[in-house]
Amino acid sequence: QQQVKQSPQSLIVQKGGISIINCAYENTAFDYFPWYQQFPGKGPALLIAIRPDVSEKKEGRFTISFNKSAKQFSLHIMDSQPGDSATYFCAATALNTGKLIFGQGTTLQVKP
Amino acid sequence: DSGVTQTPKHLITATGQRVTLRCSPRSGDLSVYWYQQSLDQGLQFLIQYYNGEERAKGNILERFSAQQFPDLHSELNLSSLELGDSALYFCASRKGLAGDEQYFGPGTRLTVT
Repeated sequence: QQQVKQSPQSLIVQKGGISIINCAYENTAFDYFPWYQQFPGKGPALLIAIRPDVSEKKEGRFTISFNKSAKQFSLHIMDSQPGDSATYFCAATALNTGKLIFGQGTTLQVKP
Repeated sequence: DSGVTQTPKHLITATGQRVTLRCSPRSGDLSVYWYQQSLDQGLQFLIQYYNGEERAKGNILERFSAQQFPDLHSELNLSSLELGDSALYFCASRKGLAGDEQYFGPGTRLTVT
């Protein structure tokens, strides 16, 4: 019940295309869903996050879509750029604990 | 730069040895979290400290221990090291006990030979 399942494992997108990464969770106590971006040799960096009282959150080219009834959420990267090439992790937590449960990660390659 | 610092950046040691990883949280942050990142297990939560006290434990082995000092820096001690302990170890910090984002440090890459 603590798992977060992420797909796909890897993704190749052309420059200017839309990258979509999906995650599913089981624990209904989770109330905060962040996405992290990680470049090789660096720590995960918070990209965007959502709470379950909204169905969508947009920041620049990055959008989280959240479906509470399906217990699923996804990251959409619009107008994908080569600089977006990185590993993306979804995560979930109950905010009163802060313990992040991470998905397995998606390696995104954006081809120029 | 997240403001979280970790030392050392790389560590190479032999099986059976003991190492200490250090983390300094962002200025003003009271909570420190430790995570392990390996190829087979992904990113896993190990342990959390808040203002010097242990608050939560995850999949942390008994050979591992941590503490948070009065100046709020934290150390993760790994002993009787095994080849399988080779991984990236990250710490993250947040201001309070709950309700806000965690910011990750650059990590320590541990290689056990």
